[in-house]
Amino acid sequence: DTGVSQDPRHKITKRGQNVTFRCDPISEHNRLYWYRQTLGQGPEFLTYFQNEAQLEKSRLLSDRFSAERPKGSFSTLEIQRTEQGDSAMYLCASSFTQTLQETQYFGPGTRLLVL
Amino acid sequence: AQSVTQLGSHVSVSEGALVLLRCNYSSSVPPYLFWYVQYPNQGLQLLLKYTTGATLVKGINGFEAEFKKSETSFHLTKPSAHMSDAAEYFCAVSRPWSSGSARQLTFGSGTQLTVLP
Repeated sequence: DTGVSQDPRHKITKRGQNVTFRCDPISEHNRLYWYRQTLGQGPEFLTYFQNEAQLEKSRLLSDRFSAERPKGSFSTLEIQRTEQGDSAMYLCASSFTQTLQETQYFGPGTRLLVL
Repeated sequence: AQSVTQLGSHVSVSEGALVLLRCNYSSSVPPYLFWYVQYPNQGLQLLLKYTTGATLVKGINGFEAEFKKSETSFHLTKPSAHMSDAAEYFCAVSRPWSSGSARQLTFGSGTQLTVLP
């Protein structure tokens, strides 16, 4: 059973460029979450999917951010017109909710640096 | 709304000494509580969780935590620290699980544990 994977692990970009991150959840996990973690802070919730439906978005998710999970499997998070304040670690987590004992399993994260 | 406060952003202990990492929460509903550990350049790994039932919860690597409703606390302990325990530890809270509800985690700001030889 492979864990949650994220690609790329590191991304350096210039301000104003667009970036896209990918998350592959544990197979058969129906929920997928995106979090953002800035230096010295805990992760903050951005958005989550149940299968292919995006059910909730945080106020942190400005209109420059968009997330998709087209077939209920992998997910992408795109940031348009990046700003220096977007520099952070972007974490993906997945879970299985057919029982009440939901546990979120986290990927290694994508570290973004905007110059 | 829910929030988590972790007292002490940095904690140092000697190898073999007791580890105590503090977590207090605020929640308008009975919370579910979690401790995660993060090693450098890695994602978060679940140490233990409290949902319902026994308030003393045992996790991996010899860690345990006790849910104290009257104190709104969920402190993490380990009787004897090991060098490999050096990492960042996050306490988190979520709303109780019920069909259809969002279950995102709200994290504290973390405690960096250093283990001295």
